[in-house]
Amino acid sequence: GENVEQHPSTLSVQEGDSAVIKCTYSDSASNYFPWYKQELGKRPQLIIDIRSNVGEKKDQRIAVTLNKTAKHFSLHITETQPEDSAVYFCAAPLYGGSQGNLIFGKGTKLSVKP
Amino acid sequence: ETGVTQTPRHLVMGMTNKKSLKCEQHLGHNAMYWYKQSAKKPLELMFVYNFKEQTENNSVPSRFSPECPNSSHLFLHLHTLQPEDSALYLCASSQTDRIDQPQHFGDGTRLSIL
Repeated sequence: GENVEQHPSTLSVQEGDSAVIKCTYSDSASNYFPWYKQELGKRPQLIIDIRSNVGEKKDQRIAVTLNKTAKHFSLHITETQPEDSAVYFCAAPLYGGSQGNLIFGKGTKLSVKP
Repeated sequence: ETGVTQTPRHLVMGMTNKKSLKCEQHLGHNAMYWYKQSAKKPLELMFVYNFKEQTENNSVPSRFSPECPNSSHLFLHLHTLQPEDSALYLCASSQTDRIDQPQHFGDGTRLSIL
């Protein structure tokens, strides 16, 4: 089955610096990779996703890159701000039965220090 | 955002009690999900419903019993739970149960088993 590894588990950066979180997956059939942000005590929210037919996608300060050959994808946050502090989860599909299900990484707790 | 609403927000129950968690979505979606979120563990998918029909049961113990009377409402009936069932239970919805459909989460129910 699908195995999603996420690193690092915690990340501390200074405001204005960049942050990078990496996930690896095992199922070569995986074709959709979302990233969720969960602030303390709040719901997970989708912040960006990428499909396997592209290698990179950007949305303002957030970007995701995908390397299908190496089976890893990464979240890049530039010019970090204190409000970026949260737990970030990656996910990748596990296909079985009639549909697929998302398998989530364990999360990365990002702290942005002012 | 109040698209997906979960009640109650907090629940404390004994191992012999019976209670129910409720989820309601106002997004016009047709798929609904239950996830379990435990400390230091990835989000775990429990159940998936698509157009009121259960399409996934991720080997969940029978002490958890889902119910989906219509595409807008999802319940999780709980009975004879164990201490290890203490966790945050998150409901989510998406347009359909296709894996590449963005999932919208509720705020969750924090469940504590005494």
